Amino acid sequence: GAVVSQHPSRVICKSGTSVKIECRSLDFQATTMFWYRQFPKQSLMLMATSNEGSKATYEQGVEKDKFLINHASLTLSTLTVTSAHPEDSSFYICSAMNREVNYGYTFGSGTRLTVV
Amino acid sequence: GENVEQHPSTLSVQEGDSAVIKCTYSDSASNYFPWYKQELGKRPQLIIDIRSNVGEKKDQRIAVTLNKTAKHFSLHITETQPEDSAVYFCAAVNYGQNFVFGPGTRLSVLP
Repeated sequence: GAVVSQHPSRVICKSGTSVKIECRSLDFQATTMFWYRQFPKQSLMLMATSNEGSKATYEQGVEKDKFLINHASLTLSTLTVTSAHPEDSSFYICSAMNREVNYGYTFGSGTRLTVV
Repeated sequence: GENVEQHPSTLSVQEGDSAVIKCTYSDSASNYFPWYKQELGKRPQLIIDIRSNVGEKKDQRIAVTLNKTAKHFSLHITETQPEDSAVYFCAAVNYGQNFVFGPGTRLSVLP
C-alpha cells in the first residue's frame, strides 16, 4: 500500500536553532500534504495544507514565518521549524493525499520534536 | 468549518465488557469518518473507517456506526482486552480536505 516516509522520527534541538522535517511519498504522487501537530495529551490539530508547487495555507494562529513548508515536488514536502523554542516541542505528523485513490490519505510515522 | 466532539473523554471498562465512544460532527459535507488508536508515545493507527454511503461497518471486535441525519458516529469495541487500552480519536473528513479530529477518549480496560 501507499507509504509516506517521515524523518526524523525524533529530534532534540537547542532553542534558537532550526529543524527540518521531511515527508516523502514512496509510491504515489502526493498532490496535497497536510501537516498536523499534537501537543501532549491533546488531539491532532491541522497546522497547514500544502499543494505541490503552491504556497502553503496556514491555519489561524500558526505563524507562517516560523513554520516553513515547502512542497516543491509531488513526492516531497518539508516542514522547517525556525528559531525553535521549548513551546514548539510537540509531535508533528504529515498526511499525504493521493488523488488517484478514493479516500487515499496516508499518514507519516510522525516526528517528536523536543526543544531544550 | 467542521467541528468534532467526542464523548466520553475517559472510559474505564472491565475486561470482556463492551466500550462505546461517540462522536458528533457539524459539517454535513463530511463524508469519511476514520477512527484512530494511539498508544503512549506512538503515532495514531487507523483501526476502522466508514464512508457516508454506509451505515455500519464491522471488523472482528470493532464496529462503527454512522447516522448521517443526526451527524454522529460511534465506535463499538466488544470483548475488550487490556491491549485495547489507549487513546482513541475520531475524525470527520470532507474528502479532499483535511481531517478534523475529535479531542480523544482515553480507554482503560481493567483486568
